[in-house]
Amino acid sequence: AQTVTQSQPEMSVQEAETVTLSCTYDTSESDYYLFWYKQPPSRQMILVIRQEAYKQQNATENRFSVNFQKAAKSFSLKISDSQLGDAAMYFCASEGAQKLVFGQGTRLTINP
Amino acid sequence: EAGVVQSPRYKIIEKKQPVAFWCNPISGHNTLYWYLQNLGQGPELLIRYENEEAVDDSQLPKDRFSAERLKGVDSTLKIQPAELGDSAVYLCASSLDQGSREQYFGPGTRLTVT
Repeated sequence: AQTVTQSQPEMSVQEAETVTLSCTYDTSESDYYLFWYKQPPSRQMILVIRQEAYKQQNATENRFSVNFQKAAKSFSLKISDSQLGDAAMYFCASEGAQKLVFGQGTRLTINP
Repeated sequence: EAGVVQSPRYKIIEKKQPVAFWCNPISGHNTLYWYLQNLGQGPELLIRYENEEAVDDSQLPKDRFSAERLKGVDSTLKIQPAELGDSAVYLCASSLDQGSREQYFGPGTRLTVT
């Protein structure tokens, strides 16, 4: 079984600043992946970044990076140089045994 | 490359009426998923197809929900009869095959049951 918890229902950040979204997970799978998805208002879910659990190195995609702490089962997302287009719901997800389980989401607001 | 296509984008029906949603996955993707997303929550899996076979339908409420993927390409999800609590967004996703770890989502169908 897998569970994903996002403890921050809402976050806000000033444009150009850095923000970190938190996520913890639990899984009985030894082979699993972790993802952050972005869902803008009334638009489709887009993959932001992924992390293979067997890799120690934290994934990075341009302004997006993760802090993967396997022992603590923590997987946070850092967004650097925040832009207005980053405003969206962000979902953390765990994938194992062909099953993708999502957290409750964090709504990110960017203040100009 | 075209993404996952869903129709309709929005649907409003009265309770007890039937409704159907259609999904066309990314070309060449053998695995197809239907998710339910309630307002303010993350998506939850309803059913997963490998080609035309439903390999995980444990979360599909089979008394009123049904799905099919007859030729292993596009898929239809049906609710009959709809209830007020079925108001939600129904998302379709696809992946290349069962070994692929990334899923690609469609825009969803927002269902309102009155």
